[in-house]
Amino acid sequence: GAGVSQSPSNKVTEKGKDVELRCDPISGHTALYWYRQRLGQGLEFLIYFQGNSAPDKSGLPSDRFSAERTGESVSTLTIQRTQQEDSAVYLCASSLTSTYLETQYFGPGTRLLVL
Amino acid sequence: SQQGEEDPQALSIQEGENATMNCSYKTSINNLQWYRQNSGRGLVHLILIRSNEREKHSGRLRVTLDTSKKSSSLLITASRAADTASYFCATAARTSNTGKLIFGQGTTLQVKP
Repeated sequence: GAGVSQSPSNKVTEKGKDVELRCDPISGHTALYWYRQRLGQGLEFLIYFQGNSAPDKSGLPSDRFSAERTGESVSTLTIQRTQQEDSAVYLCASSLTSTYLETQYFGPGTRLLVL
Repeated sequence: SQQGEEDPQALSIQEGENATMNCSYKTSINNLQWYRQNSGRGLVHLILIRSNEREKHSGRLRVTLDTSKKSSSLLITASRAADTASYFCATAARTSNTGKLIFGQGTTLQVKP
């Protein structure tokens, strides 16, 4: 079966523009996670979904960041009025359920560059 | 904020040698996981060790966990050039029974042929 996919693979945008990043989880996985990875750093948790609701948004860095999930499937991470410090790789992961016992399967990420 | 710290930050060894990476964390955990990342893109899950386990093996990988010291180590035996990658530890905090993971900064491993 297909793994987690993300689009676009790369995105270059100008400061101040809005961007949308998409994640398609593995079919049947109810939990979906977004992480951000700055150059040379580990991953930072942003938000996770259980079904279509987001019980934990604690990692979103500012109100410019938002995410939604529809149909217990696709998720979109939106960054409004992008800043240069938003440049990073944005990684999505899904797991069968949201408990700590489950393995998370990661997508290839979207590399965002804000000029 | 990042919970895990890993050392060394970078490690360079010859093919056939063993590689050991260490991870320390700050709060009580449900489990600790190790991931590999090639070329700064998607992560591959390697192994999960639960908080009540002390050692786990998977092929050439051996993971230990010492909850009293809040530390873990990943040993790769008989390394190969294909093991060249970045390795991250990640913890699932006991205060959150979800799969939310807190990652360390990672160790970059280079295996020379």
